[in-house]
Amino acid sequence: DAGVIQSPRHEVTEMGQEVTLRCKPISGHDYLFWYRQTMMRGLELLIYFNNNVPIDDSGMPEDRFSAKMPNASFSTLKIQPSEPRDSAVYFCASSNDRDRVRSGELFFGEGSRLTVL
Amino acid sequence: GENVEQHPSTLSVQEGDSAVIKCTYSDSASNYFPWYKQELGKRPQLIIDIRSNVGEKKDQRIAVTLNKTAKHFSLHITETQPEDSAVYFCAPRSYNQGGKLIFGQGTELSVKP
Repeated sequence: DAGVIQSPRHEVTEMGQEVTLRCKPISGHDYLFWYRQTMMRGLELLIYFNNNVPIDDSGMPEDRFSAKMPNASFSTLKIQPSEPRDSAVYFCASSNDRDRVRSGELFFGEGSRLTVL
Repeated sequence: GENVEQHPSTLSVQEGDSAVIKCTYSDSASNYFPWYKQELGKRPQLIIDIRSNVGEKKDQRIAVTLNKTAKHFSLHITETQPEDSAVYFCAPRSYNQGGKLIFGQGTELSVKP
């Protein structure tokens, strides 16, 4: 498997623009997580899904952020409108909790580095 | 919700010395205890984990110990090498909370040659 695939790897945009980040989890994985990483706040959990259903979105900073998982192989994180304080690296990760040996292990994508000017 | 704290936040050791990082958690239902390593500019990757029915696990130069009563677990790295320099994160997980996984704030380890 190619691992968790995220796109774009880098995005530079201007304040007020819409940003869409994409994630393809590892095939067969039943959990998908979106994290945001900054120097100040570390790795923050934004939202996670189990079998395509959002379980906990309490980490989503505000209404400008939304996430969807229309099927088992695709998820998006959208920011509209974007602000400079949204600049961060956004990681998507998946896990297979049906795997009795490796249950719980998170596999991260390479991240999407977002810069909002 | 789960409260996770790591100590120390930074750690500097000489090559060959040992390093210990401690993670304290609040949720007594936590039953899975992993450690992740993140090199500069890279993604976090699992290096070792332990489940609640085991007190210690070792993999070559790294080990994890768990004290469920005191609600903390520790990462031990022996014979440190410069390539061990990275940020290390703990992320205790409770399946009773639907699999939510909260990361500690990270420990930056620097191994000086």
